[in-house]
Amino acid sequence: GQQVMQIPQYQHVQEGEDFTTYCNSSTTLSNIQWYKQRPGGHPVFLIQLVKSGEVKKQKRLTFQFGEAKKNSSLHITATQTTDVGTYFCALGYGNKLVFGAGTILRVKS
Amino acid sequence: DGGITQSPKYLFRKEGQNVTLSCEQNLNHDAMYWYRQDPGQGLRLIYYSQIVNDFQKGDIAEGYSVSREKKESFPLTVTSAQKNPTAFYLCASSPTGGHTDTQYFGPGTRLTVL
Repeated sequence: GQQVMQIPQYQHVQEGEDFTTYCNSSTTLSNIQWYKQRPGGHPVFLIQLVKSGEVKKQKRLTFQFGEAKKNSSLHITATQTTDVGTYFCALGYGNKLVFGAGTILRVKS
Repeated sequence: DGGITQSPKYLFRKEGQNVTLSCEQNLNHDAMYWYRQDPGQGLRLIYYSQIVNDFQKGDIAEGYSVSREKKESFPLTVTSAQKNPTAFYLCASSPTGGHTDTQYFGPGTRLTVL
């Protein structure tokens, strides 16, 4: 099946520091979605990117879709303890969504 | 309240037994999915269904079976043929099953084989 590389696997930051997770694909994507899963919870949809080079913002979160539509990033500015959880990208290939392995974010206050 | 429910939240099974996990949605979505989540491996697709009485295998269907007799319900049976069934199982639904749909997840069932 299609391979999705999401890095890093784990990141532990001090509250107030920035955080970035990256998603890479070897093939061109039709779209990408990002989800957040709080500890003990279930994934919740954050955003979808469709256009080449697209940038979207949600408060302290910035989402980017690469120009070649093969990669994406999620950046959190000035992390807070409420940001803890696992962030997944989900890549659109044909008529399927393929989820990355996720990046676990821990925030130390 | 609209949403997806899964039951039970925790399930224990003896080796060699089949077990069925429930998933119900009242969002009027056409598509439903089952994922398995293991530490460090993200979400892996087991089965999905885009319409009643039809379903397709995902990436890791071996040892699992499903049915879709009603639009609202998509139960998953973990059979004794599944070699390593201990995992967190997530059910999801989406409006049409297209790759640009948002997927809505249930709270999950944590299965432990004793």
